[in-house]
Amino acid sequence: AQSVSQHNHHVILSEAASLELGCNYSYGGTVNLFWYVQYPGQHLQLLLKYFSGDPLVKGIKGFEAEFIKSKFSFNLRKPSVQWSDTAEYFCAVNEMADSWGKLQFGAGTQVVVTP
Amino acid sequence: ETGVTQSPTHLIKTRGQQVTLRCSSQSGHNTVSWYQQALGQGPQFIFQYYREEENGRGNFPPRFSGLQFPNYSSELNVNALELDDSALYLCASSDPDSSYEQYFGPGTRLTVT
Repeated sequence: AQSVSQHNHHVILSEAASLELGCNYSYGGTVNLFWYVQYPGQHLQLLLKYFSGDPLVKGIKGFEAEFIKSKFSFNLRKPSVQWSDTAEYFCAVNEMADSWGKLQFGAGTQVVVTP
Repeated sequence: ETGVTQSPTHLIKTRGQQVTLRCSSQSGHNTVSWYQQALGQGPQFIFQYYREEENGRGNFPPRFSGLQFPNYSSELNVNALELDDSALYLCASSDPDSSYEQYFGPGTRLTVT
């Protein structure tokens, strides 16, 4: 079955540490890739997206992600986290064959940044 | 530009009852998708409406149904509620003619007792 896997359910790190969240998907066709973030008490917001072109994409708040087609991966990175990055992060995939844009989400990674 | 809004914010229902959740799409968006997010899980796609027609459905039973209105707002109806229907229900709007990007509302928290 097609799926999206996020490697860690919970991550705890200190301010200024680097963050990398893994995401792998199992779709065989062309995909659009997304990372969404859900801050405490807020709705899902788009961090960044990949449709085509440069596999290294930059998003808001200093986040970036790299699409590695051969590994079916789309890992999220931030060189130096802040306390305000405490949130839940979701990787999502849209298969291009699904022209209506259905998103398949991973289970999410809860990130806690300590002062 | 008004974002996606949902009502109500919270809802408590009893098993076997019916519920209607509402969503207003972002200005200019003609497509609404509904997702169910159970506690500790990622959102699961329920169905999508494009220009008032159902345009795709996830693995949810027929007691989950919906509507889209001419102004592109939408309703999600769930009949014969079960305890497992307790979840956050998210609405997302988009304009697939221009982008696959979806914009999410704050959700409706449904508790079934």
